[in-house]
Amino acid sequence: NAGVTQTPKFRILKIGQSMTLQCTQDMNHNYMYWYRQDPGMGLKLIYYSVGAGITDKGEVPNGYNVSRSTTEDFPLRLELAAPSQTSVYFCASSPLRDRVNEKLFFGSGTQLSVL
Amino acid sequence: DQQVKQNSPSLSVQEGRISILNCDYTNSMFDYFLWYKKYPAEGPTFLISISSIKDKNEDGRFTVFLNKSAKHLSLHIVPSQPGDSAVYFCAAGNQFYFGTGTSLTVIP
Repeated sequence: NAGVTQTPKFRILKIGQSMTLQCTQDMNHNYMYWYRQDPGMGLKLIYYSVGAGITDKGEVPNGYNVSRSTTEDFPLRLELAAPSQTSVYFCASSPLRDRVNEKLFFGSGTQLSVL
Repeated sequence: DQQVKQNSPSLSVQEGRISILNCDYTNSMFDYFLWYKKYPAEGPTFLISISSIKDKNEDGRFTVFLNKSAKHLSLHIVPSQPGDSAVYFCAAGNQFYFGTGTSLTVIP
């Protein structure tokens, strides 16, 4: 059972480059999320989606874009990478029930460095 | 402004003793709280949760206590085991908000 799969695991970008972090889940969950974790900090919500075609901003959306064309996939796009985006990125999903009560299933993360 | 706070970055406990991890929140509208556990190079995994209609929830060695008037929750691990060594995060607000984490080390 794969759960939530993130690729790549590691990536180094130069300032100004762009890239897409991939996230896919095989649990048929409607809700998907992107978080970032900076050293010594908690997880900050970047974007989330409540279903295919529906996305919304979290706490720290600037510099990122998302799309949700299918239930399974929720890619995160960095258009102009900046050193401030150096972080570990986690994708998560949760099933469609009362969202307040649902635990998240996380991927193993993507470590991104922007130099 | 940090809506969920974990003021202890680290905690060391002897094996077999109790570990107590604390979490404070600022928004009285938060009505559901979760704890996640994270090992290095892995994503967080769900540990235990509590609804605001309860003041205690227990699952094996793990118990979470909620004090709504103080906007405070705590996670108790009894007895602590070396495999419990990890970073623990509390989350609230439909999981929009996570604390900064407490790194627990259980010493054999």
